[in-house]
Amino acid sequence: EVQLLGSGGGLVQPGGSLRLSCEASGFSFSDYVMTWVRQAPGKGLEWVSSIRVPGTTTYADSVKGRLTISRDNSKNTLYLQMNSLRAEDTAVYYCAKGGRSYGLKDFWGQGILVTVSS
Amino acid sequence: NFMLTQPHSVSESPGKTVTISCTGSGGSIASNYVQWFQQRPGSAPTTVIYEDNQRPSGVPDRFSGSIDSSSNSASLTISGLKTEDEADYYCQSFDNNNEGVFGGGTKLTVL
Repeated sequence: EVQLLGSGGGLVQPGGSLRLSCEASGFSFSDYVMTWVRQAPGKGLEWVSSIRVPGTTTYADSVKGRLTISRDNSKNTLYLQMNSLRAEDTAVYYCAKGGRSYGLKDFWGQGILVTVSS
Repeated sequence: NFMLTQPHSVSESPGKTVTISCTGSGGSIASNYVQWFQQRPGSAPTTVIYEDNQRPSGVPDRFSGSIDSSSNSASLTISGLKTEDEADYYCQSFDNNNEGVFGGGTKLTVL
């Protein structure tokens, strides 16, 4: 059974940092593209970032230079390092499993709440 | 920039068939796979269609997806509507720079 277990959210002040984690199980993690998606309160889904198997990364313009996606295939874990956080980064963050060659396919994590507020 | 546009809301009666459209602009929708996600209130999204027209295990065959290159659009069709299908539905794809794009979402009401 595929599972994506997210952790690391919470309340952080503007300008602060946070690291989200997503531990994967039930599939060969190192073979698949992984993606972060977020959803601000009352809003739609927004693609944040994807990371391919060799480590190639892509980012939404709204997060470039502040959020960094990474993966540790030995730990089956996906990360999102979030720096210089802004109020508009407040959202539920989802990790999601992609296909072997593209970023979003068939399984989602439960969501991690990040609140940026003073 | 590649964008996907969905109707804000659709409604239909139980047992009927509804189709939700997803129109691409700024690029060809056929260039990359289209996915469809269902999101019920307070829950994480789940995939109902991937790779244009494939259903994950466990998704009933009442859900189907298609691509129409002539209109540069994708469609999600749900037949035999059930009240449990009431949810928000999002189409999604990637542009040629491998950057993700979501449609704005469609609220499906089954009444």
